[in-house]
Amino acid sequence: KQEVTQIPAALSVPEGENLVLNCSFTDSAIYNLQWFRQDPGKGLTSLLLIQSSQREQTSGRLNASLDKSSGRSTLYIAASQPGDSATYLCAVDGNTGKLIFGQGTTLQVKP
Amino acid sequence: KAGVTQTPRYLIKTRGQQVTLSCSPISGHRSVSWYQQTPGQGLQFLFEYFSETQRNKGNFPGRFSGRQFSNSRSEMNVSTLELGDSALYLCASSLDPGGIYEQYFGPGTRLTVT
Repeated sequence: KQEVTQIPAALSVPEGENLVLNCSFTDSAIYNLQWFRQDPGKGLTSLLLIQSSQREQTSGRLNASLDKSSGRSTLYIAASQPGDSATYLCAVDGNTGKLIFGQGTTLQVKP
Repeated sequence: KAGVTQTPRYLIKTRGQQVTLSCSPISGHRSVSWYQQTPGQGLQFLFEYFSETQRNKGNFPGRFSGRQFSNSRSEMNVSTLELGDSALYLCASSLDPGGIYEQYFGPGTRLTVT
């Protein structure tokens, strides 16, 4: 049974700092991994999708990496801003269309 | 292009009642999935529909059901509501099923059962 873990559960950093969010999964037989952002009381915003054959994806200040063999993914946020404050979720798909989510990391960027 | 829309955005129901939630996917998207989000359990998969057929179902009781229409719009229904059904219900759409395509989520329907 696939399990996804995100550590830490919460993170607080000063504005401008570079940071890394971690995601690990127990079954390496995934088809893709997706990172999402969720603002309080809102839906999920897709940030990056990494296919199983890819090692990383980049979008603006965000870079996500995937290491299937070790069951790990990281989301790197460069030059953090207060507007980046949100909960970040990673989810894996085993080619079933069913996303299995981690519990998320709540990020606070202080001005 | 309009995003995924969900209606209603908020609902308050009483135990024992039933409720129907609606989801309109992004234009051209044919796959629709539903998720339940609660503080205790996080995000859990309910079901996925493609071409009006349920492809996949999560571990929820039979009180939770859904359907998809020919225009890809989807509805989910919860009968005999329980207090524990209070949650944010999220709908996601993608071009096709499987893991190739990104899933895009709607704003959710906040259901409160009293």
